Amino acid sequence: DIVMTQTPLSSPVTLGQPASISCKSSQSLGHNDGTTYLSWLQQRPGQPPRLLIYKISNRLSGVPDRFSGSGAGTDFTLKISRVEAEDVGVYYCMQATQFPHTFGQGTKLEIK
Amino acid sequence: EVQLVESGGALVEPEGSLTLSCAVSGLTFRTAWMAWVRQVPGKGLEWIGRIISIVDGGTTDYNAPLKGRFTISRDDSRNTLYLQISNLKIDDTAIYYCTTADHSHGWYFWGQGTLVTVSS
Repeated sequence: DIVMTQTPLSSPVTLGQPASISCKSSQSLGHNDGTTYLSWLQQRPGQPPRLLIYKISNRLSGVPDRFSGSGAGTDFTLKISRVEAEDVGVYYCMQATQFPHTFGQGTKLEIK
Repeated sequence: EVQLVESGGALVEPEGSLTLSCAVSGLTFRTAWMAWVRQVPGKGLEWIGRIISIVDGGTTDYNAPLKGRFTISRDDSRNTLYLQISNLKIDDTAIYYCTTADHSHGWYFWGQGTLVTVSS
């Protein structure tokens, strides 16, 4: 199975400041169809997961543009340009290149 | 508006069985790829398995450690996804989510989840 490793596991951030989460996979997430199936999910307290970013860098409709994704191969990053109070929660990277799909451990974003 | 509504979660004794349902609306269910994911409260996400649309073959894939006790099925006439769990173990205590994918966005929508508690 592909192991997804996120850092940091906890990220205290000041409102209005940027935040960055790293996700590294144990093998390349490039599929033989040429697509990299790396997504980012947000889980607010008491809520189900919500897709933010798919295929490394594509924001789902309705996701604020302060969220951006980047990376390639085995190294990926989620950035929040200016953290808002509603961004508090746990963020997961997820790979859907290979079965079983696997998730990072989660990064808890909290406000300082 | 897409809606995924899970039901069937309960308090169950070890070695018991349970069937969870996920009622789907707001999308063309017969072409949707569906999956189940679980989460121990306060912990991370674990992939259980998926079932692709009948038109794409209707096959299922499972996370290997769970294969055998977990069975995913679908009823396109009822727009409903199912997860049967047998020989329940304490470690199966979790919130069970259904999710749906399309070819463009991947697993883009998740239900609210249903809680399964395994305890004697």
